[in-house]
Amino acid sequence: GAVVSQHPSRVICKSGTSVKIECRSLDFQATTMFWYRQFPKQSLMLMATSNEGSKATYEQGVEKDKFLINHASLTLSTLTVTSAHPEDSSFYICSAQPGLNYGYTFGSGTRLTVV
Amino acid sequence: GESVGLHLPTLSVQEGDNSIINCAYSNSASDYFIWYKQESGKGPQFIIDIRSNMDKRQGQRVTVLLNKTVKHLSLQIAATQPGDSAVYFCAENMGMTGTALIFGKGTTLSVSS
Repeated sequence: GAVVSQHPSRVICKSGTSVKIECRSLDFQATTMFWYRQFPKQSLMLMATSNEGSKATYEQGVEKDKFLINHASLTLSTLTVTSAHPEDSSFYICSAQPGLNYGYTFGSGTRLTVV
Repeated sequence: GESVGLHLPTLSVQEGDNSIINCAYSNSASDYFIWYKQESGKGPQFIIDIRSNMDKRQGQRVTVLLNKTVKHLSLQIAATQPGDSAVYFCAENMGMTGTALIFGKGTTLSVSS
């Protein structure tokens, strides 16, 4: 089946530094990928929709200059958390849709801890 | 804005019981609904989906019911097992390729043996 690989699974960084998270579709091409953030004991909140070859679409309240998304190929989208702060500590999850009849596939998530 | 919500945050059952997890949605234009299972520290795992032109769909030990009149979705798990313990989310969208899923709040299912 369709697989989305997400790396790293865990990362700890210092305040003020930047962290890049990668999301790869392994056996299909993904024109669109989705980035979610999940705080403890809460649901997945959509942050942005990543579009190959064009600018990402951000949800209301998500700072596009802080959460940089790059979708330079049909199999890779990256999320860079810039100038990270402790409040950015969260579980970040990417998703892609191989096709309308294939549902959605999710990455395994990245646990970001900012110290 | 409109969102998908859940009625109960926690459900505790005994092994072998049937579990029912409920979800209310508010977007009448939603066309596609999915139930996901999420274990701690992992991404969501697909369980079952249903489109708005159906009111029931069955899988292995799971059944999803959709009531469009009252905008209600439920997940039934038969013969619940300890391995079913997780957080369950319903999610919805308008069924178009390239549109994101919107998730409900989640229900924690705890199965005791």
